[in-house]
Amino acid sequence: DAGVTQSPTHLIKTRGQQVTLRCSPKSGHDTVSWYQQALGQGPQFIFQYYEEEERQRGNFPDRFSGHQFPNYSSELNVNALLLGDSALYLCASSLRGGEAFFGQGTRLTVV
Amino acid sequence: DAKTTQPPSMDCAEGRAANLPCNHSTISGNEYVYWYRQIHSQGPQYIIHGLKNNETNEMASLIITEDRKSSTLILPHATLRDTAVYYCIVTESGAGSYQLTFGKGTKLSVIP
Repeated sequence: DAGVTQSPTHLIKTRGQQVTLRCSPKSGHDTVSWYQQALGQGPQFIFQYYEEEERQRGNFPDRFSGHQFPNYSSELNVNALLLGDSALYLCASSLRGGEAFFGQGTRLTVV
Repeated sequence: DAKTTQPPSMDCAEGRAANLPCNHSTISGNEYVYWYRQIHSQGPQYIIHGLKNNETNEMASLIITEDRKSSTLILPHATLRDTAVYYCIVTESGAGSYQLTFGKGTKLSVIP
């Protein structure tokens, strides 16, 4: 049983560009959350998707958007990249009401 | 902001028990205590959670004080692979349904 998988594992983007990160939840899970983790800090909650809708959102600007597909997979989009967006982006999946399981993350570097 | 306070770092000798404390004095009656750990450059890993009773699983034990204002995560026989940052998180029931607010955690170093 595959756990939470994220792609790509690493990528480098130029300031001002747009990026899309992908997440496949653990089998049977219907809820996906995204987190941003800057170097040396704990993960910060971006938003959560359930039933293809954004259910909760953290303190992140509208440049951060997402989507959940009918198969429960999810995408995180970031527009107009800033140098400060460089971070590890983590996806966590869960069955509504259950524990959250994290993927290995996507390391985004903005230059 | 995180509702928990943890020491920034701790050392533990290999084979000994590691006891990681956490203060959560403002915890509400419907909030659980969750523990996750993050090994360098990997995603956080769920360890254990509890409401008010002590809990044990194959990874660790969780001891919650009677007033629920603090807790201790116990790794009974620490190994080098337990070296990681440990996060104590307070959240409403079903952590998967609610955002997890991470603090800076405790960096546990297991020493040979």
